[in-house]
Amino acid sequence: DAKTTQPPSMDCAEGRAANLPCNHSTISGNEYVYWYRQIHSQGPQYIIHGLKNNETNEMASLIITEDRKSSTLILPHATLRDTAVYYCIVGGGADGLTFGKGTHLIIQP
Amino acid sequence: ETGVTQTPRHLVMGMTNKKSLKCEQHLGHNAMYWYKQSAKKPLELMFVYNFKEQTENNSVPSRFSPECPNSSHLFLHLHTLQPEDSALYLCASSQEPIRGEQYFGPGTRLTVT
Repeated sequence: DAKTTQPPSMDCAEGRAANLPCNHSTISGNEYVYWYRQIHSQGPQYIIHGLKNNETNEMASLIITEDRKSSTLILPHATLRDTAVYYCIVGGGADGLTFGKGTHLIIQP
Repeated sequence: ETGVTQTPRHLVMGMTNKKSLKCEQHLGHNAMYWYKQSAKKPLELMFVYNFKEQTENNSVPSRFSPECPNSSHLFLHLHTLQPEDSALYLCASSQEPIRGEQYFGPGTRLTVT
């Protein structure tokens, strides 16, 4: 059973910030939130992960609510190359990763 | 480039053939994984190796046989496959203990005829 809920698809205009939501209301205290993306016919690409604090790297920012029941991945300036399926995953401990269906993000020119 | 390579990239095999998929990681990681991605289905974790020891087998049929001779190499041996085994097979690696930060190869597109 998926531990996360994501919208199946989203659109975003090129150059704008893309905000991808994820609900994980059953997350436990020691579980991380991971984000990956998969461009068509390629392997998934790790983006970012976090536990409690907000995180930022060269690809994206991750905002986790104080109760940890939801998070948002932010791509600050979306480009056409950011069109992909984005996966929000909770866990990453001894059980590894369980991928759901993700959000298909389409960047519009 | 993620530092994880897979060969071959495409493979067509008959149901009576025996073939092997190869994965190599150049990241110095100590955990490696096989995933299967069928059309319109989420990725499914097949096998996990940690320091060359298999630590997880997600009820995968015995016609799939993994091998991990060292921390850098992972194989998936295939024999008597079925057409429904046609899929994208992905290899990944990670560095313990951050098992969730995995780096994937490009995958092998397998077609069973």
